[in-house]
Amino acid sequence: DADVTQTPRNRITKTGKRIMLECSQTKGHDRMYWYRQDPGLGLRLIYYSFDVKDINKGEISDGYSVSRQAQAKFSLSLESAIPNQTALYFCATSDSSFGRNQPQHFGDGTRLSIL
Amino acid sequence: QKEVEQNSGPLSVPEGAIASLNCTYSDRGSQSFFWYRQYSGKSPELIMFIYSNGDKEDGRFTAQLNKASQYVSLLIRDSQPSDSATYLCAVKGNTDKLIFGTGTRLQVFP
Repeated sequence: DADVTQTPRNRITKTGKRIMLECSQTKGHDRMYWYRQDPGLGLRLIYYSFDVKDINKGEISDGYSVSRQAQAKFSLSLESAIPNQTALYFCATSDSSFGRNQPQHFGDGTRLSIL
Repeated sequence: QKEVEQNSGPLSVPEGAIASLNCTYSDRGSQSFFWYRQYSGKSPELIMFIYSNGDKEDGRFTAQLNKASQYVSLLIRDSQPSDSATYLCAVKGNTDKLIFGTGTRLQVFP
């Protein structure tokens, strides 16, 4: 089983719909992140959370919200989806117990298409 | 100026050759540097990380860091067709956030 699991893996939906992408991890890491990836733009940070009570906006948070339900779960919501949110979304985790410079580990991604 | 810059490629090398991938960054306070490999449609996979100036070797991979010149590179020795992928450079500064380059596509041909 994957250490960082994202659901769904693929989603096609319509403009205006509310969508939730879920991420769960079994790595025991305290930090979790949401990124989107677009061709030519690389990975961009949407939101990040250093623990259950610490949630921060990233580079491109407009139109998104998150919830850290537990240390192992971090959900990303699109309240009213629009076509330019069509992208590949990744959840990532890292472990700060060994210091601030630990690498991030990625889930398999969710391919989201908004028509 | 982008915070982390990479040549988009493609970088084409023959099988068995050394592939050299380069990355420059703008924040002089950056502290840690990561290389990820990403196959098309798949998630980024950590290849190497380096924190100190100099070289760090792991199998066929060598990461090189020069903080004075603000560049980090990845060398892949004995390149294989299975190394064909996009390689992402990521840099972490004082903000605890990773900044990614847009990646270099590597093609290894038989």
